[in-house]
Amino acid sequence: NAGVTQTPKFRVLKTGQSMTLLCAQDMNHEYMYWYRQDPGMGLRLIHYSVGEGTTAKGEVPDGYNVSRLKKQNFLLGLESAAPSQTSVYFCASSYRLSSTDTQYFGPGTRLTVL
Amino acid sequence: GQSLEQPSEVTAVEGAIVQINCTYQTSGFYGLSWYQQHDGGAPTFLSYNALDGLEETGRFSSFLSRSDSYGYLLLQELQMKDSASYFCAVIRDDKIIFGKGTRLHILP
Repeated sequence: NAGVTQTPKFRVLKTGQSMTLLCAQDMNHEYMYWYRQDPGMGLRLIHYSVGEGTTAKGEVPDGYNVSRLKKQNFLLGLESAAPSQTSVYFCASSYRLSSTDTQYFGPGTRLTVL
Repeated sequence: GQSLEQPSEVTAVEGAIVQINCTYQTSGFYGLSWYQQHDGGAPTFLSYNALDGLEETGRFSSFLSRSDSYGYLLLQELQMKDSASYFCAVIRDDKIIFGKGTRLHILP
């Protein structure tokens, strides 16, 4: 069981470039989430999905798009990267949200936009 | 909307007890969670309170008072490995919303 994996682990982009972050989970979880973490800001929810083929906006969705074509994968896209998107991105998954179903986080992707 | 307030930093001595408080303002509240994150690592789940009262898991306990919109994480017998950031989070609808985190410093 690999749990939640993220690809890539590090990336440097120039302003205006595009890229896709991949999140994969092998726990058959229904719910998947993308967060960004900035110093002093905690974790902020970008987008999330409650099942294959569904996506929804979180707190800070602007500048990002997501897709959940397969249950095990959740993709985060940056169409035109900006320096303000420099951050650490975490993916998480859970079977559902309750006292017995917690979120499991991936190791993170550190993105720098120059 | 929702907001969570927790202290930015707390310092304690190894072997002691420390309490990290969290106050929240949210509607449609389902429960309060706590996560731990070491430097360079990913957040990991510690505890969850759906109802008022104390939940104990080893050295860690978490408390919730829904009427006061308040909770806390209690860490006992502090060890150096407990040096980390701790986040409270509310579960609402299909989402978890995190606080900004409390950095715990432990002195030998």
